[in-house]
Amino acid sequence: EAGVAQSPRYKIIEKRQSVAFWCNPISGHATLYWYQQILGQGPKLLIQFQNNGVVDDSQLPKDRFSAERLKGVDSTLKIQPAKLEDSAVYLCASTENRAGELFFGEGSRLTVL
Amino acid sequence: AQSVAQPEDQVNVAEGNPLTVKCTYSVSGNPYLFWYVQYPNRGLQFLLKYITGDNLVKGSYGFEAEFNKSQTSFHLKKPSALVSDSALYFCAVRDGGTDKLIFGTGTRLQVFP
Repeated sequence: EAGVAQSPRYKIIEKRQSVAFWCNPISGHATLYWYQQILGQGPKLLIQFQNNGVVDDSQLPKDRFSAERLKGVDSTLKIQPAKLEDSAVYLCASTENRAGELFFGEGSRLTVL
Repeated sequence: AQSVAQPEDQVNVAEGNPLTVKCTYSVSGNPYLFWYVQYPNRGLQFLLKYITGDNLVKGSYGFEAEFNKSQTSFHLKKPSALVSDSALYFCAVRDGGTDKLIFGTGTRLQVFP
């Protein structure tokens, strides 16, 4: 069974530039999550989708971050414009149901200079 | 609001000795509890979970965890540590009434030969 795919693995940009991350969850998983993990900290939930609808985006900085999950499968997370404090690993995860474990991708490491 | 605490930033243990990584939680409903491990430059890997039933849960790589409702704890344990167990461990909790999974700050486990 294929795992959660994320790209790119690494991205370096200047502040005020934009960046987009892509995630393809495990086939059949209705729930998709984006987490931000800053070095030395635990993952922080940014947004949660159920199929193509947003369940929770309370911690998403909506002035600069946006995310979508068209057709309830792939998802993209965009940052525009980026700030230095956005430097982090962006983790995508999916799960089959609320009692199930989350399956994580390898993450996308963003460095903002 | 749900929360999870990992009181130790780092745990050091000699190879062959038992290890414990501590976790306490707070939820308003029934807790769904998880442990994940993270190796350098990798995503999070699922170790084990407690949803209901037996308080002692067995998981991957010889790890186990004990759910203690009165102490609101879910400590991770292993009878005999291996050097290869050295990694970052995260406890996570989901309130049974929601799909939101909240992570602790992580505990770095260092196993010395």
